[in-house]
Amino acid sequence: EAQVTQNPRYLITVTGKKLTVTCSQNMNHEYMSWYRQDPGLGLRQIYYSMNVEVTDKGDVPEGYKVSRKEKRNFPLILESPSPNQTSLYFCASSLSRGVYEQYFGPGTRLTVT
Amino acid sequence: AQSVSQHNHHVILSEAASLELGCNYSYGGTVNLFWYVQYPGQHLQLLLKYFSGDPLVKGIKGFEAEFIKSKFSFNLRKPSVQWSDTAEYFCAVNAGGADKLIFGTGTRLQVFP
Repeated sequence: EAQVTQNPRYLITVTGKKLTVTCSQNMNHEYMSWYRQDPGLGLRQIYYSMNVEVTDKGDVPEGYKVSRKEKRNFPLILESPSPNQTSLYFCASSLSRGVYEQYFGPGTRLTVT
Repeated sequence: AQSVSQHNHHVILSEAASLELGCNYSYGGTVNLFWYVQYPGQHLQLLLKYFSGDPLVKGIKGFEAEFIKSKFSFNLRKPSVQWSDTAEYFCAVNAGGADKLIFGTGTRLQVFP
């Protein structure tokens, strides 16, 4: 089954404790992206990747890092989480660039206390 | 910068009522347009998309959308809503083959039996 998976689905952590949210897709998609969803703000892009070793900032990249060492994986790293990063995070993938339909993962609800 | 506006933030309807959700974008060139739906507690799923051709696009579950280039709009419609249509709806635009999708802030639809 074609899908995007994320782990963990729920995470409660404390300020400053580094964490990683994993994202994996099995569709051989070139393009992957991370979004955060906040009430009243919709989805805002954090980072995206056009292919292996190619990443770029989205609209709200501050406080986040990503890497793309393999085509299928695109982890999101919060080196020092803060309460304002409490949000619902979605990973998505697409055949190529942002032009095509994006397939979304199930989401990760992160709470930073 | 390109932007997407969804002016209806919260819509409440009774079953069998007709639905129209507005979406306007700001970009004068070629666009690819999408509507996504997010059912409670779930990830985003594609409802329909427009790349070119017939400006009236039909999607899943009886939804359709009309691309009106002169009005920079891509409104979503359904003739008769069901309780199961309760969800949040997001319009998204890819402007000029750019690297990313730009999402609107979403419209929350509640349908009462």
